Amino acid sequence: NAGVMQNPRHLVRRRGQEARLRCSPMKGHSHVYWYRQLPEEGLKFMVYLQKENIIDESGMPKERFSAEFPKEGPSILRIQQVVRGDSAAYFCASSRTGQGETQYFGPGTRLLVL
Amino acid sequence: DAKTTQPPSMDCAEGRAANLPCNHSTISGNEYVYWYRQIHSQGPQYIIHGLKNNETNEMASLIITEDRKSSTLILPHATLRDTAVYYCIVRVASGGSNYKLTFGKGTLLTVNP
Repeated sequence: NAGVMQNPRHLVRRRGQEARLRCSPMKGHSHVYWYRQLPEEGLKFMVYLQKENIIDESGMPKERFSAEFPKEGPSILRIQQVVRGDSAAYFCASSRTGQGETQYFGPGTRLLVL
Repeated sequence: DAKTTQPPSMDCAEGRAANLPCNHSTISGNEYVYWYRQIHSQGPQYIIHGLKNNETNEMASLIITEDRKSSTLILPHATLRDTAVYYCIVRVASGGSNYKLTFGKGTLLTVNP
């Protein structure tokens, strides 16, 4: 399966813990995008990364959230000191190149903060 | 990016064609129309996109009006597995922040047996 892969699919954390979400792009894709979908809401852009570079993180909350896409390995979305409001579905998408290319989405990680 | 308007919900009988409309009256000449769908609890799935010509692939057809102010996604023979929220997204071809896909509320298509 050459699709976008995300893990874990479900993640439960207690308030104050850290959450790490992983995304492996499609084969041949070097651009990764993270979106968040709060309950009963649409998907909202969070961050756009290329290998080793953050291109646009304008949609990320200023505190506790960070993202990386290292030269080797998956992209990581990290949420420190999670709060109940972080409970959401987090989707990763990838594209072959940046501007204008079709984005293909992974199955998402559903984060539940207790 | 141009704003899109879609009906909140539609029903379709299994085996019939599903025609999902989208209005994008403020679309500009260099903006594409993209369609994605999201089946419950899954990630958005790319369906099709077009600029001004009609497009067809193995999943659907996209009909764009000549003035480009509206479009219709056609699923020729809807099945129960096509029940999903369908999103119409307008996106600049290049430049700016065109990588930020803007998902509205979409249309919940329910295919009935």
